[in-house]
Formats: sequence, structure tokens, C-alpha cells
Amino acid sequence: RKEVEQDPGPFNVPEGATVAFNCTYSNSASQSFFWYRQDCRKEPKLLMSVYSSGNEDGRFTAQLNRASQYISLLIRDSKLSDSATYLCVVGGFNNDMRFGAGTRLTVKP
Amino acid sequence: EAGVAQSPRYKIIEKRQSVAFWCNPISGHATLYWYQQILGQGPKLLIQFQNNGVVDDSQLPKDRFSAERLKGVDSTLKIQPAKLEDSAVYLCASSQTRPGTGHETQYFGPGTRLLVL
Repeated sequence: RKEVEQDPGPFNVPEGATVAFNCTYSNSASQSFFWYRQDCRKEPKLLMSVYSSGNEDGRFTAQLNRASQYISLLIRDSKLSDSATYLCVVGGFNNDMRFGAGTRLTVKP
Repeated sequence: EAGVAQSPRYKIIEKRQSVAFWCNPISGHATLYWYQQILGQGPKLLIQFQNNGVVDDSQLPKDRFSAERLKGVDSTLKIQPAKLEDSAVYLCASSQTRPGTGHETQYFGPGTRLLVL
């Protein structure tokens, strides 16, 4: 079993749609959780950290369920500029990071 | 603030040759990571340094890969000898907080694209 698993997609959605990505992790001792965004041929960039209480940043909402070892990202009112690969990242006690394979999103006009 | 610097940006070598990559993290960042990202996959952690000490190198293929961070700032990653399957982007990242102290934001460099022929 992979340490961090994501639905690879691709997700093809129209502008304005709401899309949700899911991620599961295997190590119950994981300490920190993130969503990163990676554009084609670019480096990953932090989108948002994920907290147990859930957190929202504009059109983006992230949630963590430690009991189910499950992380989600919701994007509302999708924009063309949201097209990218979204990487789920899980950190251990020493902040040793494990990345999922990424979920590819394409937002179409 | 200057970002994470990496060089070279591109490298083409033949199998069995050696190659080295260099990374200069953001000033003041104690933690430095090297990742390998094969096309279509997420980054895979190769090695993590805290200052000049190794925190995690469990996924580093130590028979051919080596890395060092002698003065706790710059780092080099070496492959010797290279294999075809080493073709990938090698990403360096740095972060500021110390392990176990809280959420860690990593900042990535632009990566080095390696092609092994």
C-alpha cells in the first residue's frame, strides 16, 4: 500500500464548477498535512496547510479526518487558472514528507 | 527574499556516467530536502537534512546516490553511476522550522531535469 494515495484523475470540469479531491494516508502517526499545487514543468508550491478543524482560504477548503486517515480539498467556482496538478502531502514527526502522485485538474471554458 | 537555487537546470548524460546537482536553500532555513520526481508521479523524498545532519535517508538508493551538506547550508546530490531509470527532475526544498515543532512549509527550487541516455 502506498503511504499517500490520491485519485490520479484527470478531472475535467467547466468554469464555475465545484470539484473535490480526496487523499488517504497509511501512517497513523503522521503529524502535518498539506495540499501543494504544481503547474506543468514547474516546482510544487504550497496551496494550504490542513488542520483537524478544517480550514478555508477563499474558494479553497481543506479538511482532515484523522480517524479515517483522510484529507480532502474542495475548490468552489473553478477558474481556468486552477488547472494544475494538486499534490497531497503528509509529514511525519521529523517533518519527513511523503507526497501523493497528484490529481490533475483541467478547468475548461 | 531569494528563493531556493539549484544548478544545473538541465543535464543530459549517458548511463554509467556520474552527475552532481547543487542546491542553495533560502537563507536561515535549517532543513533541506532532496526529492526525485519521475514524470507523472509525485516527488519522492530521497534525503532530509537538519543543518548538516541526516534526518531521513530511508529512500535514498545508497549504492549509487550520495548527498552531503557539510557546512549546513549548500548541499550536493551525486549519482554514480547513473542508470536509465534515474531520468527525472531532482527537486531541492528548504524549510525553516525544526522537526517536531509544528507545521512545516517547504519552498522548492526550480529543479534539475536529468536525462540519462
